[in-house]
Amino acid sequence: KAGVTQTPRYLIKTRGQQVTLSCSPISGHRSVSWYQQTPGQGLQFLFEYFSETQRNKGNFPGRFSGRQFSNSRSEMNVSTLELGDSALYLCASSNRPDQPQHFGDGTRLSIL
Amino acid sequence: GQNIDQPTEMTATEGAIVQINCTYQTSGFNGLFWYQQHAGEAPTFLSYNVLDGLEEKGRFSSFLSRSKGYSYLLLKELQMKDSASYLCAVRFNQGGKLIFGQGTELSVKP
Repeated sequence: KAGVTQTPRYLIKTRGQQVTLSCSPISGHRSVSWYQQTPGQGLQFLFEYFSETQRNKGNFPGRFSGRQFSNSRSEMNVSTLELGDSALYLCASSNRPDQPQHFGDGTRLSIL
Repeated sequence: GQNIDQPTEMTATEGAIVQINCTYQTSGFNGLFWYQQHAGEAPTFLSYNVLDGLEEKGRFSSFLSRSKGYSYLLLKELQMKDSASYLCAVRFNQGGKLIFGQGTELSVKP
């Protein structure tokens, strides 16, 4: 069974731009969560989606948004990019919200 | 808050046993997960504890005490490939939101 697929793997943007990251969960998994990982802050929760509904949201500004489609694929969007948004963005899926999450390889976003 | 505390670094010898501790706030606790993350790679799921006791999976075991807000990951017969960061994550309340500790960087020496 294929794992969690995130695209693109690497992305370079400049301040003020916006970006959309994509995540395809493991087949059959309906719960998708997003995390930001930086050396200083570690792994921080961004959002959780289940059956196209956002169930939880982390403490990030409104520039960070996301959505989930009927096929469970998810996207996250960051608008008005700042230098501090440079990070590894990880998507994780599980068959139910209370079950172990399995991570994709992440999208490494660099802001110049 | 919902702080998760684990040691920053540990060093152990190949073939030995190492225990990585994790403490957390007990209020709202609803499950604890351990992940392994090699440098430049995604976290890989290792174990899940929701009830008190020991869960064993090959060379890896994880223990939970809900009343003490305490868990540990035990790695036996250490191998060089076990050098990685080990992340403790706790689910509070309902849903899939996980709060992660900062990770314990384990170095296995020959």
